[in-house]
Amino acid sequence: GAVVSQHPSWVICKSGTSVKIECRSLDFQATTMFWYRQFPKQSLMLMATSNEGSKATYEQGVEKDKFLINHASLTLSTLTVTSAHPEDSSFYICSAGTSGRDNEQFFGPGTRLTVL
Amino acid sequence: DAKTTQPTSMDCAEGRAANLPCNHSTISGNEYVYWYRQIHSQGPQYIIHGLKNNETNEMASLIITEDRKSSTLILPHATLRDTAVYYCIVRVGRYGNKLVFGAGTILRVKS
Repeated sequence: GAVVSQHPSWVICKSGTSVKIECRSLDFQATTMFWYRQFPKQSLMLMATSNEGSKATYEQGVEKDKFLINHASLTLSTLTVTSAHPEDSSFYICSAGTSGRDNEQFFGPGTRLTVL
Repeated sequence: DAKTTQPTSMDCAEGRAANLPCNHSTISGNEYVYWYRQIHSQGPQYIIHGLKNNETNEMASLIITEDRKSSTLILPHATLRDTAVYYCIVRVGRYGNKLVFGAGTILRVKS
């Protein structure tokens, strides 16, 4: 299957700082990528759809000014958590869709964010 | 996208087949059934998907009922490494369509 990477795999930051997470499709181009958040013992919650060359589409209840998404190329999308607070501590996961027959999506390994 | 219903948890003996059911009674004609799994603290892993025919790959088999209202994911010889949360998702197979995750089934493979 297609490979999606994320960097960093984990990050610890102080409250009030900003953190950037990168998502890359390594062996395919992805016009659309997705960002999810997962709290302990819960399922994945879709945060936003990242579109190359245009603004991201955010799910209801997700603050677009707090979670900045940039999709500057067909292989890279970034999520920046601005002014992070302890309640933003979570597992952030990205996915990218392939342009194959049935448009399967493949996921990155996730980034564990801990805000102190 | 149509909703799915899965059992909360299941146990399976190592080496035996694991059969994970999924109900999707409101599925539309152009919606596919996708299966993903998530091992603890990792990103979800794609397993298999299908429209109406049964599908098989190196990981699993997918059996879809004729009326498409339910399906079963089969792991033919479960190992301890198959312990994970398994998600059944119904979605139109069009590029750019998002995946909406439910609670999934916790599969515990026991020796």
